Amino acid sequence: QSALTQEASVSGTVGQKVTLSCTGNSNNIARYPVVWYQQISHGAPKAVLFGNSLPSGIPPRFSGSRSGTTASLTVSGLQPEDEADYYCSTWDFSLSIWVFGGGTRLTVL
Amino acid sequence: QVQLQESGPGLVKPSQTLSLTCTVSGGSFSSGSYYWSWIRQPAGKGLEWIGRISTTGRSSYNPSLKSRASMSIDTSKNQFSLQLTSVTVADTATYYCARVEDFPDLWGQGALLSVSS
Repeated sequence: QSALTQEASVSGTVGQKVTLSCTGNSNNIARYPVVWYQQISHGAPKAVLFGNSLPSGIPPRFSGSRSGTTASLTVSGLQPEDEADYYCSTWDFSLSIWVFGGGTRLTVL
Repeated sequence: QVQLQESGPGLVKPSQTLSLTCTVSGGSFSSGSYYWSWIRQPAGKGLEWIGRISTTGRSSYNPSLKSRASMSIDTSKNQFSLQLTSVTVADTATYYCARVEDFPDLWGQGALLSVSS
């Protein structure tokens, strides 16, 4: 069982806006920035957002927010190449480890 | 451009010790601001953080591994390694090495490790 909870699947059509959520607790998401990873076809995860910052090369259609113990990743203007598994992650103060969500499969219809 | 590359045996028998090495090329391996980590992913499942080590050798591990994990670092070779003892089929996974500054930002391509007799 993952420390962070994500939806199993989310879908949207090209051009649509979709939001993925990640729920933790007071020891992780409430304390530290969340990083979101994109994993395409079982390749290595690639960070698409850290806190509110976009890593180099990530298009600005990716954005994030956090409220209390829940973080969200929003993809505005969904593109076919956005179809992937998305994982959220952050540091856990109590466990002293990086924790991950179980992943959300984003399907572009 | 910094790159990470995992290497390992591919197949390990149950109860044996798994050993993996990550070689870092193209950058400043000894920078004090980085930790170096191992993360694994069983097929079709999510990610699990195994542990991290600094260039001074300070390490910490996921308690879920019940003290089976240990890491070492060789700054002269730009390498860090993972050993996992008493492996079972549940340890079958793709193992990633990663650089950590504010977060695990740079990952290797992953090494598939199977545990089977």
